[in-house]
Amino acid sequence: DAGITQSPRYKITETGRQVTLMCHQTWSHSYMFWYRQDLGHGLRLIYYSAAADITDKGEVPDGYVVSRSKTENFPLTLESATRSQTSVYFCASSDSTRTTEDFGPGTRLLVL
Amino acid sequence: GEDVEQSLFLSVREGDSSVINCTYTDSSSTYLYWYKQEPGAGLQLLTYIFSNMDMKQDQRLTVLLNKKDKHLSLRIADTQTGDSAIYFCAEITSGGYNKLIFGAGTRLAVHP
Repeated sequence: DAGITQSPRYKITETGRQVTLMCHQTWSHSYMFWYRQDLGHGLRLIYYSAAADITDKGEVPDGYVVSRSKTENFPLTLESATRSQTSVYFCASSDSTRTTEDFGPGTRLLVL
Repeated sequence: GEDVEQSLFLSVREGDSSVINCTYTDSSSTYLYWYKQEPGAGLQLLTYIFSNMDMKQDQRLTVLLNKKDKHLSLRIADTQTGDSAIYFCAEITSGGYNKLIFGAGTRLAVHP
């Protein structure tokens, strides 16, 4: 299906474990983004990528790692999960005009 | 700094009009957005307005932009129970990759 997909949709993990959240888009958008959504904070940008092999930090990058070897994929890795990383994670993509961002359905992550 | 502020909650009666307000700080924002998030879902772009416009209408939605006061509003006419959701205001900042800054969201509750 065309669009932007995220997997898994729900994940429970334990403190200290490594977790990877996947994001895939079929539009060949050059820009991709990872946000986290927490009550009272709206959406905060974790990392973004302007193109394959180009990534940069957002507002809250600590504890996260990203890569972008292919235009269509933008995985987000929590190298050693902490309880403070319990959140809803949204992936988004945008074409080069940056007029709008299209969001995926989200991944709900619980770190115990 | 960059900031977007919204009231957190709005309750309206079905059939009435809803007005959700937002203030932003970046006077050089080129686009301003309204996103809708239904329970358990991702963000859906409702509408956006270019900064040189004062008003944009799209069916039941009317967006008003007051650049002098840096104030954006979303009016939903004939509000229905299906409009119950969280509405996020966002601005796109100038410079760099033009990042999207979100407000904390306004929860709209529609009651009979």
